[in-house]
Amino acid sequence: RKEVEQDPGPFNVPEGATVAFNCTYSNSASQSFFWYRQDCRKEPKLLMSVYSSGNEDGRFTAQLNRASQYISLLIRDSKLSDSATYLCVVILPKYGNNRLAFGKGNQVVVIP
Amino acid sequence: DVKVTQSSRYLVKRTGEKVFLECVQDMDHENMFWYRQDPGLGLRLIYFSYDVKMKEKGDIPEGYSVSREKKERFSLILESASTNQTSMYLCASSSTADYGYTFGSGTRLTVV
Repeated sequence: RKEVEQDPGPFNVPEGATVAFNCTYSNSASQSFFWYRQDCRKEPKLLMSVYSSGNEDGRFTAQLNRASQYISLLIRDSKLSDSATYLCVVILPKYGNNRLAFGKGNQVVVIP
Repeated sequence: DVKVTQSSRYLVKRTGEKVFLECVQDMDHENMFWYRQDPGLGLRLIYFSYDVKMKEKGDIPEGYSVSREKKERFSLILESASTNQTSMYLCASSSTADYGYTFGSGTRLTVV
């Protein structure tokens, strides 16, 4: 089983709509989680960390469900500039918390 | 602002050439990583390093080697470039205090 699994999409979202997607992780000992954003032909950049209690940053909300081993990202009031690939990232505890596992990403296309 | 600099944005090399990809970070990070990213395959870890002169194999080390003589510099070496090493190469660094990665802007390598 892969360490991190994501549905690649694409997720075609009308401008102004809400989109949400999940990713699942296989190692129940993982403690830290992130969402990264990658624009076309650019490097990934940290979007937000995911905390146990869930967290919000403007129009973006991240949630963690430890029982089912998934994290989610919700984008409200989608903007054209939100078009990107969103990478789910999990710390691998067996490597002393210094190594991350990346999902293949959820591709989001916001349509005018 | 954390900065990870990769020496070349685009590179074209011939089959059989020895290729050096350089990565420098200016934040005194302990950890450095080399990934390659291909469509449909996501980010795949080639090598990583937790300290000077230290290196560990990632998931796809074959055909590659690395060098870390100084803390700020992590070099990826393609001993004898082949066409299947045509890819986007991304360097990243992180601190043990904060697990989020910072990526360089990538080197798009084409081997002909």
